[in-house]
Amino acid sequence: QSALTQPRSVSGSPGQSVTISCTGTSSDVGGYKYVSWYQQHPGKAPKLMIYDVSKRPSGVPDRFSGSKSGNTASLTISGLQAEDEADYYCCSYAGTYTWVFGGGTKLTVL
Amino acid sequence: EVQLVESGGGLVQPGGSLRLSCAASGFTFSSYWMHWVRQAPGKGLVWVSRIDSDGSTTIYADSVKGRFTISRDNAKNTLYLQMNSLRAEDTAVYYCVRGSLYTFDYWGQGTLVTVSS
Repeated sequence: QSALTQPRSVSGSPGQSVTISCTGTSSDVGGYKYVSWYQQHPGKAPKLMIYDVSKRPSGVPDRFSGSKSGNTASLTISGLQAEDEADYYCCSYAGTYTWVFGGGTKLTVL
Repeated sequence: EVQLVESGGGLVQPGGSLRLSCAASGFTFSSYWMHWVRQAPGKGLVWVSRIDSDGSTTIYADSVKGRFTISRDNAKNTLYLQMNSLRAEDTAVYYCVRGSLYTFDYWGQGTLVTVSS
């Protein structure tokens, strides 16, 4: 499967909002309600931030939200904080018990 | 507290083999799908393989099919990845990941596999 398409980088100032897009096809993002987002700080393991398109695990701030329209999913982070600076990866179920990740987006908090 | 601790990584020559292990604790291991996800140095995450809760069904990414084998021992709360015919492009940090339905909810810290002569 081909990787989902994410912007290589996004940036924002503290307190602002940023949105990261994740574009796939009707065989993955568009075909299932199983899109998730992961935050990864340098040298650390990824952390689940959003699952099933828009659900937040316990402990994840409500500043993080997810949505989907057609073949494109989005992660929005509002009220940016310095600790949000990290790499973010989207992931979609792609059928027959396979999954595909996006290439990752580096978020810089200015 | 859910813990996933990988081991078994290291340096191996092209064409060689390596077996990774992942010791799980803090949850009922036998009730969950488990996965391996890898990340080449400086690159993104790539899903590698999935095994269902009783080990009866396994699925692989095309890039490792026929070379890697995922397995589990529910009595020992341990997940494995047998990697054969290793190539330079298999060099990566390998993460053991718990699956919660169609999501990856807990990740280990990873173990580095380097394939080089």
